Amino acid sequence: DGGITQSPKYLFRKEGQNVTLSCEQNLNHDAMYWYRQDPGQGLRLIYYSQIVNDFQKGDIAEGYSVSREKKESFPLTVTSAQKNPTAFYLCASSIQGHTGELFFGEGSRLTVL
Amino acid sequence: GQQVMQIPQYQHVQEGEDFTTYCNSSTTLSNIQWYKQRPGGHPVFLIQLVKSGEVKKQKRLTFQFGEAKKNSSLHITATQTTDVGTYFCAGDDTGNQFYFGTGTSLTVIP
Repeated sequence: DGGITQSPKYLFRKEGQNVTLSCEQNLNHDAMYWYRQDPGQGLRLIYYSQIVNDFQKGDIAEGYSVSREKKESFPLTVTSAQKNPTAFYLCASSIQGHTGELFFGEGSRLTVL
Repeated sequence: GQQVMQIPQYQHVQEGEDFTTYCNSSTTLSNIQWYKQRPGGHPVFLIQLVKSGEVKKQKRLTFQFGEAKKNSSLHITATQTTDVGTYFCAGDDTGNQFYFGTGTSLTVIP
């Protein structure tokens, strides 16, 4: 079955540690996205990539980093510079960049202790 | 920057009652999408509207895109317990990203 796989589903880390969240898709989509969701808020865009080896900052990129070395993979690193990293992180992909339907993974819930 | 506001933030209805959520953008949108997120789940695409004044229906759900392409609504007729979840709109202003509304959390009381 085609889809987007995020791992891990739950992650606990101590303050000051970098964390990498995995996102893999087998939908052959060109565009991939990372969103952050906090309680009572909408989804806020962290980074997006429309093609391999290229990515752009979203509205809240500070304290995060990404790479897009393969079409299928778009990992997100939450660095120690992110002041409030505890959140629900959602990865998504689409066929046609910003004009297409977004397919979401099941999310990764990060808790920083 | 672009803002997409969504109201209400929460809505509790008796099963069988109707429900509407509204989405307003500070700028003209090229298209708008609607997503549903069940409790503990991830957003799932419902529909995309592109044309000014467009109306689309999916069974008990009716979606509208305003004439000025700055607002949209989702109306559910005769709600059921399976409608529970948070409904998000997401607007595209021909930039490179969708701007999500804050969502409306729907609770249906049996």
